[in-house]
Amino acid sequence: QVQVVQSGTEVRKPGASVKVSCKASGFTFTNYAIHWVRQAPGQRLEWMGWINAGTGDTKYSQKFRGRVTITRDTSAITAYMELSSLRSEDTAVYYCARGSGYDLHFDYWGQGTLVTVSS
Amino acid sequence: DIQMTQSPSSLSASVGDRVTITCRASQSISSYLSWYQQKPGKAPNLLVYTASSLQGGVPSRFSGSGSGTDFTLTISSLQPEDFATYYCQQSYSTPYTFGLGTKLEIK
Repeated sequence: QVQVVQSGTEVRKPGASVKVSCKASGFTFTNYAIHWVRQAPGQRLEWMGWINAGTGDTKYSQKFRGRVTITRDTSAITAYMELSSLRSEDTAVYYCARGSGYDLHFDYWGQGTLVTVSS
Repeated sequence: DIQMTQSPSSLSASVGDRVTITCRASQSISSYLSWYQQKPGKAPNLLVYTASSLQGGVPSRFSGSGSGTDFTLTISSLQPEDFATYYCQQSYSTPYTFGLGTKLEIK
């Protein structure tokens, strides 16, 4: 069955970076996109960017441009999201989700990774 | 950026009720609209995509409609497991954006 499984909880100090992984199984990884979405406490879902797992092409939200890097390793069937220059406002649950169809709807989601930024 | 406005922000209803949630886009998004259900502490779950296509495994009591700027999600007969928060999301243009959510609570 289709699954995307994320890495575990992270705690970082302001100014540091964090890299979250998203391992896929049950589908042909390179035929899909992988999105990254975050949700700060009590806030709406916020799209950060996506990667075409086949070509490696990426698209980022302007809000995060320069701070976020999304990559993938096809041999490991894993996508990664790295966020740098962390600040307290980046404390959130980070999700990866598979993007499907011409509209890239988010059909399978990871379980979420809590990233806490605190001094 | 395309703004997604949901209404109501919260809703109290009873098991068996018919419920409709609306979502309005700040510009036309054709049918590039998805609906998600989220329960506390869990990842969102896709219900409807391309405005009206039901995701596999989602009960038929859920349905979506609309195009352009105005969309609705309808639950025909509420079940206990449907009490959750619902989000609309556009994938017409980046950045893909979500509504603020509609919290559906038990009356």
